[in-house]
Amino acid sequence: KQEVTQIPAALSVPEGENLVLNCSFTDSAIYNLQWFRQDPGKGLTSLLLIQSSQREQTSGRLNASLDKSSGRSTLYIAASQPGDSATYLCAVRPYSGGGADGLTFGKGTHLIIQP
Amino acid sequence: EPEVTQTPSHQVTQMGQEVILRCVPISNHLYFYWYRQILGQKVEFLVSFYNNEISEKSEIFDDQFSVERPDGSNFTLKIRSTKLEDSAMYFCASSFGANVLTFGAGSRLTVL
Repeated sequence: KQEVTQIPAALSVPEGENLVLNCSFTDSAIYNLQWFRQDPGKGLTSLLLIQSSQREQTSGRLNASLDKSSGRSTLYIAASQPGDSATYLCAVRPYSGGGADGLTFGKGTHLIIQP
Repeated sequence: EPEVTQTPSHQVTQMGQEVILRCVPISNHLYFYWYRQILGQKVEFLVSFYNNEISEKSEIFDDQFSVERPDGSNFTLKIRSTKLEDSAMYFCASSFGANVLTFGAGSRLTVL
C-alpha cells in the first residue's frame, strides 16, 4: 500500500528566504505526482504536476523535482512571500495511469512566512 | 478560469440522518471524484466516477455511501445514515484524464 510522507510537518521562515519542502513515497510505481496548496478551511489548488518520466517542473517561483527510483520529490520555493503561507500537499497517482485512480496524499507541510 | 463548485459549504446533521452533498464539476471533464479530510488528518480518496458508473472506490466507501450523476452537470455524494466519524470536509474533484485534478472548495459536514 502506497504511503506518502512529508517533511517537515511545519516550517516558519522569514520573508525572502528560499526553502525546500520534501515528499517521499514508498512505492515507486507511480504515474505522476502533484503538489497542491491548501489555505485554511479552503479547497486544494494544484501547483505543479510532474509525470513519472519527468525530472522537474517549474512555475514562476516554484520548482518541483522528482526522483522516482528513490521515491522522493521536492518543492522549491524561491524568494518566499507572506502570501505563500499555506499547507502544501504532495499526492501520487498509481502507475496504472487510469484517470479513475485515486491519489494518495501526504499529510502536508504547514508553511508560515514571517513578514 | 473554470472551477468545481460544491454545495452546501457547511452542513450540520444529527447522527443517523441522510446527507447529500452536491458538486458541479468542470463541464468538459470526464472523471469525477470524492475525497474527504477529517480534521488534522490526510486527504483520503473515497470514489471515482467515469462514464456514468463507479470506477474505483476505497475501503472507506462502504454501503453507507453512494454517488450519482443525476443529470449532465451535477455529481452527488449521499451518506445514508451518518455517524459521528463521518464528520469531515468532503472535497469533489474532476479531471479530463489522468492528469491535473481540480478540486472544489469543500463541504464541511458536522454530525452531532
